[in-house]
Amino acid sequence: SQTIHQWPATLVQPVGSPLSLECTVEGTSNPNLYWYRQAAGRGLQLLFYSVGIGQISSEVPQNLSASRPQDRQFILSSKKLLLSDSGFYLCACKGDQPIWEKLFFGSGTQLSVL
Amino acid sequence: SQQGEEDPQALSIQEGENATMNCSYKTSINNLQWYRQNSGRGLVHLILIRSNEREKHSGRLRVTLDTSKKSSSLLITASRAADTASYFCATAALTILTGGGNKLTFGTGTQLKVEL
Repeated sequence: SQTIHQWPATLVQPVGSPLSLECTVEGTSNPNLYWYRQAAGRGLQLLFYSVGIGQISSEVPQNLSASRPQDRQFILSSKKLLLSDSGFYLCACKGDQPIWEKLFFGSGTQLSVL
Repeated sequence: SQQGEEDPQALSIQEGENATMNCSYKTSINNLQWYRQNSGRGLVHLILIRSNEREKHSGRLRVTLDTSKKSSSLLITASRAADTASYFCATAALTILTGGGNKLTFGTGTQLKVEL
């Protein structure tokens, strides 16, 4: 089954600084990849998804961007962080048969923008 | 916007009791899934129920789906302290946009605490 590596686990950044969160996937090829954000005590909000290299779809207008330079690499970036970018960021990958609809999640990055 | 809303928001029970969580959603779905999240960790898939199914079991988990009421319930029987976590329902929309890539919409979650 898939394994998702996500780092760093925690990150404290000042307002206005850049951001780069990386996610890599093992155990599958050409996966659908997702970035979700979770505010404290809330559900998950889908930020971006990708169905292939260089293919990025944005779900909500925001200060963030995503890129997929390689098949199993998904990067979340920002040029200048805002306070509202704080949250728990999760990378996810679509499963394989027999339950291809389910998602596998990384362990998440807790981002605090101060 | 959130598709699913879980109820209750928080639930505290004693070990050995059953825990029931409910999820309501708004639009037609292809399937509904339940996930578990331990504090500060990623989500783990528990069970999937398709729109043409009414009930599904997996170990101590029982999921029901009522598409006429747009609702689902997750029952955890004989709960254990290790079941303490947040539980989320997630829906896959019936309408698949071109290149939509199996997007899931998550609810706000139920925080379950199982006490010894």
